Amino acid sequence: DIQMTQSPSSLSASVGDRVTITCRASQGISNFLAWYQQTPGKVPKLLIYAASTLQSGVPSRFSGSGSGTDFTLTISSLQPEDVATYYCQEYNSPPWTFGQGTKVEIK
Amino acid sequence: EVQLLDSGGSLVQPGGSLRLSCEASGFTFSSYAMNWVRQAPGKGLEWVSGISGSGVNTYYADSVKGRFTISRDNSRNTLYLQMNSLRVEDTAVYYCAKSRGLIKGGLDYWGQGSLVTVSS
Repeated sequence: DIQMTQSPSSLSASVGDRVTITCRASQGISNFLAWYQQTPGKVPKLLIYAASTLQSGVPSRFSGSGSGTDFTLTISSLQPEDVATYYCQEYNSPPWTFGQGTKVEIK
Repeated sequence: EVQLLDSGGSLVQPGGSLRLSCEASGFTFSSYAMNWVRQAPGKGLEWVSGISGSGVNTYYADSVKGRFTISRDNSRNTLYLQMNSLRVEDTAVYYCAKSRGLIKGGLDYWGQGSLVTVSS
């Protein structure tokens, strides 16, 4: 099975900061990677699929990049409503493993 | 509008069984893979099981293989998860989630979740 490792596990940043979260796959997954946002008490929301394609309706301050084993999610200018836990998920081969999550807070 | 309505969660004793359902609307159900994802209290997301649009292909996490069975009834637009030999560690909110593709893909719509508590 493919293992997905996210870093950091948590971060604190100021409003307007650029935030980067990384996700590393234990083996190559091409671009079969998605990113999700889960705000407290809410259902997860798809942000990005195919590593870099923005889901409809998601603000353009979110972007994704990477291919193979190393991926990043970037928030170009952190907003208060971005406080959430972010997860990556590979869907190259089953089981479709999630990363352990990155909790983002406002400093 | 896409809607996924989870149901079936409850309190069950260890070793017991439960069947979750997810009724879908607002899209051509048979054209998309479907999944179950769970989240234990205070923990992260865990993908549990997936099924292709036709129902021919099914996939499971190692943690539930041999105990859980995913199925779908495309005539009723409904996804199921039959859970047997339940363990305390299966306690979680279970979400059904739609894939973007026929076989796989990012999960673009999620149900509201159904709480399963396994306890004596």
